[in-house]
Amino acid sequence: AQTVTQSQPEMSVQEAETVTLSCTYDTSESDYYLFWYKQPPSRQMILVIRQEAYKQQNATENRFSVNFQKAAKSFSLKISDSQLGDAAMYFCAYRSARGEDKIIFGKGTRLHILP
Amino acid sequence: AAGVIQSPRHLIKEKRETATLKCYPIPRHDTVYWYQQGPGQDPQFLISFYEKMQSDKGSIPDRFSAQQFSDYHSELNMSSLELGDSALYFCASSLGRGTGNQPQHFGDGTRLSIL
Repeated sequence: AQTVTQSQPEMSVQEAETVTLSCTYDTSESDYYLFWYKQPPSRQMILVIRQEAYKQQNATENRFSVNFQKAAKSFSLKISDSQLGDAAMYFCAYRSARGEDKIIFGKGTRLHILP
Repeated sequence: AAGVIQSPRHLIKEKRETATLKCYPIPRHDTVYWYQQGPGQDPQFLISFYEKMQSDKGSIPDRFSAQQFSDYHSELNMSSLELGDSALYFCASSLGRGTGNQPQHFGDGTRLSIL
């Protein structure tokens, strides 16, 4: 069974600085998708960024980028120029490309932005 | 852009009662997913439907049932409610399923509280 591990329950970063959230996963599959979701206090679940495992190039969305290391099964999220609105719970997530619908989430990392 | 609509936003029930949660997917989306997020927990996949047929099943209790209707909206029916059912219930939708990389778009969730 696939698992997703986020080893940092909480992190803090100064506004305008850069922070990296860690995520590792375990799977025997070679084709899959990885995601970072953001859940602010408003409790919405917002897709931040996604990565297809077959793509070597790291995904980037504005201030958000990932460092995808397939061999190491690592998928970290870097947030540049942190803003107060980035404060949220961040979930790393995995989805098989083999026809399974479910997304498997990590336990989450709560990110605090210090003004 | 239209998003996933869930109703009600909040629901309070007593033990042993029944509850029905509704989900209206993004227009043209044909796949619906249900997740349960307990307090301080990561979301757990319950069940999904594609073109009105159950497509995948996760850790959904036997007391729960769900279906997808001809207009693609979905309902999650919960009976004999227990205190442990108190959670945030997310619905997500996507266009297509399986090996496609269409992301799951989440609604704002229904917060169910069992007294």
